[in-house]
Amino acid sequence: GENVEQHPSTLSVQEGDSAVIKCTYSDSASNYFPWYKQELGKRPQLIIDIRSNVGEKKDQRIAVTLNKTAKHFSLHITETQPEDSAVYFCAASRSNYQLIWGAGTKLIIKP
Amino acid sequence: ETGVTQSPTHLIKTRGQQVTLRCSSQSGHNTVSWYQQALGQGPQFIFQYYREEENGRGNFPPRFSGLQFPNYSSELNVNALELDDSALYLCASSFPEGAGEQFFGPGTRLTVL
Repeated sequence: GENVEQHPSTLSVQEGDSAVIKCTYSDSASNYFPWYKQELGKRPQLIIDIRSNVGEKKDQRIAVTLNKTAKHFSLHITETQPEDSAVYFCAASRSNYQLIWGAGTKLIIKP
Repeated sequence: ETGVTQSPTHLIKTRGQQVTLRCSSQSGHNTVSWYQQALGQGPQFIFQYYREEENGRGNFPPRFSGLQFPNYSSELNVNALELDDSALYLCASSFPEGAGEQFFGPGTRLTVL
């Protein structure tokens, strides 16, 4: 079955700097890769997603890149702000949208 | 906030008991997925229901069972509760024929003593 690995587990960056979180997946049939942000005690919220027919997608300060050959995808956050502090999860699935999740990255934005 | 609701919000049970968790999907969504999120970990896929039929299952024992109703709301039942079942249980509804994005409910925090 699918396995998703996520790194780093904790990431501390200075406010205004960029943050990059990386994930690898094992199932070559996976074709949907969402990223979720989860604040303490709250539900996961989709922040961006990408499908396997696209190599990169951007939404304001957030971008995701996908390398199908290497089976890895990354989340890039530019100009980080205090409200970006949260736990970020990557996930992967086939067309059935049964998400297999990474272990999460705790992002800390230092003022 | 999404239109997905879950009940109850919190629940405390003892080992060996049974529990039923409920999820109301967002209007127009015919698919519900359930996830278990232990403290400090990523969610784990339990199973998915599509048009009242189980449509896939993760690595969970048979004492985890579910149901989807004609209005697409769903229940998660867990029998013979174990301490390790303590977790946040999340449901997510989606409309796979569209973009497939999953919309999450607020979760049910289950504590097993």
